[in-house]
Amino acid sequence: AQRVTQPEKLLSVFKGAPVELKCNYSYSGSPELFWYVQYSRQRLQLLLRHISRESIKGFTADLNKGETSFHLKKPFAQEEDSAMYYCALSNYGQNFVFGPGTRLSVLP
Amino acid sequence: SAVISQKPSRDICQRGTSLTIQCQVDSQVTMMFWYRQQPGQSLTLIATANQGSEATYESGFVIDKFPISRPNLTFSTLTVSNMSPEDSSIYLCSVDRGEDTQYFGPGTRLTVL
Repeated sequence: AQRVTQPEKLLSVFKGAPVELKCNYSYSGSPELFWYVQYSRQRLQLLLRHISRESIKGFTADLNKGETSFHLKKPFAQEEDSAMYYCALSNYGQNFVFGPGTRLSVLP
Repeated sequence: SAVISQKPSRDICQRGTSLTIQCQVDSQVTMMFWYRQQPGQSLTLIATANQGSEATYESGFVIDKFPISRPNLTFSTLTVSNMSPEDSSIYLCSVDRGEDTQYFGPGTRLTVL
């Protein structure tokens, strides 16, 4: 069965510090992995997907198939990064499964 | 991306009543999805709504409770029937424009008294 875990419900870091949001998944095939972000009072929006291998707002994520992980990283956190982050998995457009989410709080 | 709107944005309803949520997309899409986000929890897929066919429901969700319409390629509705306080949640529609990525509407916050 497909499953996404995000072990941290809340992560607090100081501005300028590195941040890593953890995501692990279980899936029998070759999945697509995504990170979605929800800023306060805004809709859920796509942050990045592993296929495109791009960096959005300074965030990167590398798919590690050996560890079945897709951790989200940013070298220097900014206060505007404070938001709810969801890791998600799909089998290429079908059956999206979301993790429980991690609330990132960047302190001044 | 796609521009997706939902109506209503929020509502407070009485137990036993029904509410229909509308989702409008600015372009034609084949696949539309309905999710529920209960307080403090992640998103759970309710059903997939494809135009021209019946919706496909996920385990734990049934058509009698959550009837869905998909009359055309830009519009869908989700009805929450015979509501109870446990149905209090945010309901989101999303679309896949053939890019294997989902884009979400702003959500409908439902409170059932």
